Amino acid sequence: GENVEQHPSTLSVQEGDSAVIKCTYSDSASNYFPWYKQELGKGPQLIIDIRSNVGEKKDQRIAVTLNKTAKHFSLHITETQPEDSAVYFCAVRPPTDSWGKLQFGAGTQVVVTP
Amino acid sequence: NAGVTQTPKFRILKIGQSMTLQCTQDMNHNYMYWYRQDPGMGLKLIYYSVGAGITDKGEVPNGYNVSRSTTEDFPLRLELAAPSQTSVYFCASSSLGSSYNSPLHFGNGTRLTVT
Repeated sequence: GENVEQHPSTLSVQEGDSAVIKCTYSDSASNYFPWYKQELGKGPQLIIDIRSNVGEKKDQRIAVTLNKTAKHFSLHITETQPEDSAVYFCAVRPPTDSWGKLQFGAGTQVVVTP
Repeated sequence: NAGVTQTPKFRILKIGQSMTLQCTQDMNHNYMYWYRQDPGMGLKLIYYSVGAGITDKGEVPNGYNVSRSTTEDFPLRLELAAPSQTSVYFCASSSLGSSYNSPLHFGNGTRLTVT
């Protein structure tokens, strides 16, 4: 089955700096790559996603890039703010799946220090 | 529109006890999922359902059971609780299965401790 690795597991950044989280996957035919943000005491929430036919997508201060050849995709957060502190999960939808099941990475704890 | 609601928020069980984690959604979503979250392990799929009366196992189904008698409700049953089931449990739903324009909507979780 699909295997998703996420790095780093923890990331500490100064407010205003950029943060980058990278995920690699194993099945080159996987076609959907969402990112979820989990704030303390809450469930994960979708923040951005990308399909396999797109190389990059931006939404204000966040962006996702996809390298299908290398089988990795990354989340970029620019001008980080304290409210960006959370756990971020990448996920992959395997091509063989018909029911919308996602394979999640292990998560990255991001801490933004003022 | 409350979204996905999970109860209880916290629960402590003794080994061998049973309980049901409740999940209800008011978005008329057909697809519903149960995940467990352990530190450093991400989210693992326990069971899922693609509509009332239809359920199937996910990656880690042992020790759990589910039912889906209505579109809104998807309870997760733990029989004979074990310490390995200590975790945070999340219920999620989506309209078409997780895909572009059909994201997962998560509840706020149930933190379960088995001692």
